[in-house]
Amino acid sequence: EEQLVQSGAEVKKPGESLKISCKGSGYSFSSYWIAWVRQMPEKGLEWMGIIYPGDSYTRYSPSFQGQVTISADKSISTAYLQWSSLKASDTAMYYCARPRSNGGLDVFDIWGQGTMVTVSS
Amino acid sequence: DIQMTQSPSTLSASVGDRVTITCRASQSLGSWLAWYQQKPGKAPKLLIYKASSLESGVPSRFSGSGSGTEFTLTISSLQPDDFATYYCQQYNRFSNYTFGQGTKLEIK
Repeated sequence: EEQLVQSGAEVKKPGESLKISCKGSGYSFSSYWIAWVRQMPEKGLEWMGIIYPGDSYTRYSPSFQGQVTISADKSISTAYLQWSSLKASDTAMYYCARPRSNGGLDVFDIWGQGTMVTVSS
Repeated sequence: DIQMTQSPSTLSASVGDRVTITCRASQSLGSWLAWYQQKPGKAPKLLIYKASSLESGVPSRFSGSGSGTEFTLTISSLQPDDFATYYCQQYNRFSNYTFGQGTKLEIK
């Protein structure tokens, strides 16, 4: 079964760093893009960026460029989303998602279960 | 980037009703438009891709139509399990991904 499993919920203080993960299984992880999507409390979905684990080529939404770092380790089939200095406004559910095909942009047919990040002093 | 505008933001309907949600794009997408359903505390679920193609396993009461800049999602006869939030998403190959702001479908 193709699936994405994300790391558990996090509670952090403003200014702290954080790295959350998304592990793929049941398919060739290196050959498919992985996207990250933010959902702030009671708000809609926002595409943050996308990475191709095969060569770590990464593309960011202009809204998130410079705010987060997306990376991947294909040897352990895991993608990451990290912050160097969290803000209260980073409080949100974060989903990883896999596009259906490994060509250009495609729909997200596989989603992780989400990682809730809470930033509070 | 391409902007997506969904309407309405909230929709109240009853079991058995036929409902339609609209999504408009700021520029032409061809048919590169998808619809997702999200229930509270859950990840989104793909319903429709390429504007009108039904994802495997999705009930046939869901349908999508449109091309260019205007698209619709129709549920022909609402079932209790359909009360959720629906999002459109553009995936035009020459742009980044964008989601609509969502439509919450509530029980009347």
